[in-house]
Amino acid sequence: EAGVAQSPRYKIIEKRQSVAFWCNPISGHATLYWYQQILGQGPKLLIQFQNNGVVDDSQLPKDRFSAERLKGVDSTLKIQPAKLEDSAVYLCASSLAPGSTYQETQYFGPGTRLLVL
Amino acid sequence: AQKVTQAQTEISVVEKEDVTLDCVYETRDTTYYLFWYKQPPSGELVFLIRRNSFDEQNEISGRYSWNFQKSTSSFNFTITASQVVDSAVYFCALSEAPVYNTDKLIFGTGTRLQVFP
Repeated sequence: EAGVAQSPRYKIIEKRQSVAFWCNPISGHATLYWYQQILGQGPKLLIQFQNNGVVDDSQLPKDRFSAERLKGVDSTLKIQPAKLEDSAVYLCASSLAPGSTYQETQYFGPGTRLLVL
Repeated sequence: AQKVTQAQTEISVVEKEDVTLDCVYETRDTTYYLFWYKQPPSGELVFLIRRNSFDEQNEISGRYSWNFQKSTSSFNFTITASQVVDSAVYFCALSEAPVYNTDKLIFGTGTRLQVFP
């Protein structure tokens, strides 16, 4: 079974430029997550989708970050304009849809390493 | 509020030594889930184990074992007879029951394990 796919793997941009990351979840997984992992820290959730609806985007800096999941499959995360502090690894994860009290396991992709100069 | 503490920033051992990675969590919920993930240098987070709050039975999987103790809010991970391939950053994570379908993972800061030959 194919895992979570992400591209690009690496990206270097200058501050104030824009950048986009792409994620393709495991087939059949209704829930998709974007996490930000700053060097030396654990990942932090930016946004969670279930199918193509947003479940949680409370920690997404909406003035510069946006994300969409058209047709409930692939997702794109965009940063515009980028700041130096956006340098991080952006991880995409997917899971089966959670039940009302049951937590499904999240499976992660290889991540995109972003460096903002 | 949810919180995960991994007090050990870095551990170095020689191959074949046993090593225990500590994880302490905080939550007000009675239903929650605990996870361990491995992050090798390639960057992908690899799922190792999931435990729910009602199952305190310890688990062993090959050289890996996990000790869940609700009385001390700990979920420790032991690698027996460590190998060089175990070198990675290990993350402990917590998630509360997915009420309203949000089930984000709260990660600790990770423990970097280096196993020397």
